[in-house]
Amino acid sequence: KNQVEQSPQSLIILEGKNCTLQCNYTVSPFSNLRWYKQDTGRGPVSLTIMTFSENTKSNGRYTATLDADTKQSSLHITASQLSDSASYICVVSDYTGGSYIPTFGRGTSLIVHP
Amino acid sequence: NAGVTQTPKFQVLKTGQSMTLQCAQDMNHNSMYWYRQDPGMGLRLIYYSASEGTTDKGEVPNGYNVSRLNKREFSLRLESAAPSQTSVYFCASRGQSNYNEQFFGPGTRLTVL
Repeated sequence: KNQVEQSPQSLIILEGKNCTLQCNYTVSPFSNLRWYKQDTGRGPVSLTIMTFSENTKSNGRYTATLDADTKQSSLHITASQLSDSASYICVVSDYTGGSYIPTFGRGTSLIVHP
Repeated sequence: NAGVTQTPKFQVLKTGQSMTLQCAQDMNHNSMYWYRQDPGMGLRLIYYSASEGTTDKGEVPNGYNVSRLNKREFSLRLESAAPSQTSVYFCASRGQSNYNEQFFGPGTRLTVL
């Protein structure tokens, strides 16, 4: 069964600090991995996508990494801002050859304090 | 472009009542999904529709029915609501490419008393 595990479950940091969120997956065959940001009371929004051949991808202050051998990904947030307070969800997709049914992690809840 | 819209935003039901959650997208996407999100559980798939005219069960379909009315609209019906169905419901849509992202609606917060 495909699974996605995220850690930590929650994280509190001070504004301006960096942090790294982790995602481990057992999804096969692997197609791609996305990180979503979900603000409180809103739907998730995609931050970045990683495919098998990509190791690192940046989107502003967000940098995602992927190690397809160890089946791990990380999301690094640089110089955190109050607006980074949200839940970050790791979503992994396989090649089903038909319908697209991704596997969701439970998310990491990040709180940035001033 | 409104993206994915959901109605209502909030709803309170009594046990045994029925209701339909509405979802529409204006991105000409083939695939549409219904998820529920509970604290500590993440998003769980209820039903999905890979294309107009088809629907399939997801991880937690019991107690729900769906209708893909046309390419734009995908509704979720609770025939006899139960307190265990208290949750936040999200609709999502996705285009055809293998790397296309899912676009989510703003959610419906449902409470069943």
